[in-house]
Amino acid sequence: SAVISQKPSRDICQRGTSLTIQCQVDSQVTMMFWYRQQPGQSLTLIATANQGSEATYESGFVIDKFPISRPNLTFSTLTVSNMSPEDSSIYLCSGLTGKGTEAFFGQGTRLTVV
Amino acid sequence: AQSVAQPEDQVNVAEGNPLTVKCTYSVSGNPYLFWYVQYPNRGLQFLLKYITGDNLVKGSYGFEAEFNKSQTSFHLKKPSALVSDSALYFCAVREDGGATNKLIFGTGTLLAVQP
Repeated sequence: SAVISQKPSRDICQRGTSLTIQCQVDSQVTMMFWYRQQPGQSLTLIATANQGSEATYESGFVIDKFPISRPNLTFSTLTVSNMSPEDSSIYLCSGLTGKGTEAFFGQGTRLTVV
Repeated sequence: AQSVAQPEDQVNVAEGNPLTVKCTYSVSGNPYLFWYVQYPNRGLQFLLKYITGDNLVKGSYGFEAEFNKSQTSFHLKKPSALVSDSALYFCAVREDGGATNKLIFGTGTLLAVQP
C-alpha cells in the first residue's frame, strides 16, 4: 500500500486568487490522479498527473484552470487558479502502485472560496 | 464507456442487522471493481476489490462483496452492522486492460446504522 499526504488539509480563499495543493506519496507510484468532490457529490477525475510532462485532463477540465505538476514519482501539485465560489470542493490526490490494482487516496483538501 | 450506478442515496439499518449496499456497473471489457468508504472530513479508504477468481471477496472491517457477472453487480454486504459503520460508501470500476487506469465512481450511498 501507499500512504498519501496532502496539504493543506483545508483553506478558505478569496475569489480571484489561486491555491496550490501538494501531494506526497511515501513510495513510488506509477500513476497519480487528482479528483474533485463537490459538496454532496461523488468523485470526478480532473486529470492524470504525468511525470515530467503535461497532465492528461478529463473533459471539462483545462490546464489553465487546473495546472498540475509531477516532477518525480512521489510528488505532485494541483493549482486551482482564479478561484470562484463554484470551485469550493474537496480535492483528492490518488496514487496507483505498480503492483497493486487499488488506488490509494490522500485525506483531501477542503477548499472554500468566498 | 465505463459507468457505475448506486441506486440508493441512503441505506438505514439497525445495529446487529445485516446490511447491503448495492452497486451495478458497465464496462466493455473485464471489470476491476472496488469499494471505498469515506468518513466525515476524511479521505477515501479502500475496503475491498474484485479482480478475478472467487466471486465472493472479503475486505476490511468484516465487509464482503459478491461479484455477479450476469447481473453486472457488485453489492457490498456485512452480516452484522455496527454504528461505527455509518459512513459514505463508494463503488468504483476500472476496465482491465483499458487505455487508462482511471477509476469511475458511483454517486455514493450513505449508510446510517441506528443503535
